[in-house]
Amino acid sequence: SQQGEEDPQALSIQEGENATMNCSYKTSINNLQWYRQNSGRGLVHLILIRSNEREKHSGRLRVTLDTSKKSSSLLITASRAADTASYFCATAEETSGSRLTFGEGTQLTVNP
Amino acid sequence: DAGITQSPRHKVTETGTPVTLRCHQTENHRYMYWYRQDPGHGLRLIHYSYGVKDTDKGEVSDGYSVSRSKTEDFLLTLESATSSQTSVYFCAISEWGGAYQPQHFGDGTRLSIL
Repeated sequence: SQQGEEDPQALSIQEGENATMNCSYKTSINNLQWYRQNSGRGLVHLILIRSNEREKHSGRLRVTLDTSKKSSSLLITASRAADTASYFCATAEETSGSRLTFGEGTQLTVNP
Repeated sequence: DAGITQSPRHKVTETGTPVTLRCHQTENHRYMYWYRQDPGHGLRLIHYSYGVKDTDKGEVSDGYSVSRSKTEDFLLTLESATSSQTSVYFCAISEWGGAYQPQHFGDGTRLSIL
């Protein structure tokens, strides 16, 4: 069963706009991670946010975590065509040991 | 990029034949994972390894077996391939427990079973 669910499933924006993707999950977690996947390639790690953190930044990326609502968001500011990719959240559940559970992803298209 | 090589990158085979996929890493990481990616399901964990000869099942392990005889190699075997195992298979590694740190992925093996 899927732990994380991303919303929206697909997002199309213009270059320079901000893109926001959301992830909801069901059980208590140790941390939540965001990954990017370009077409035909493997996943690339973007950010890890621990359960006791509320916000984290990395360059143009901003991730928030609300454990009371069991949700997270990924904001990409000033998007570029090169940001076109699928974005996945992955949760490390408290009871899952070494395993991550991935959502189905958001397909982001940034139009030049 | 993390040193992860998956082979083969593409394979077409017939139902009932055995198939082995290989993941090779040059990072000396302890943990290695096999996932499959299918439309509508995201990535699902098949098996993972936390050391040489130490493996455990994931969410969708039925029909798959794994072996790890060396730190750098993690093999995924489909003993008798079925059409439902047509998928893209990804190997991932992490230095220690993957739930507490990032995982690094290979570029996948596209497997088609006719």
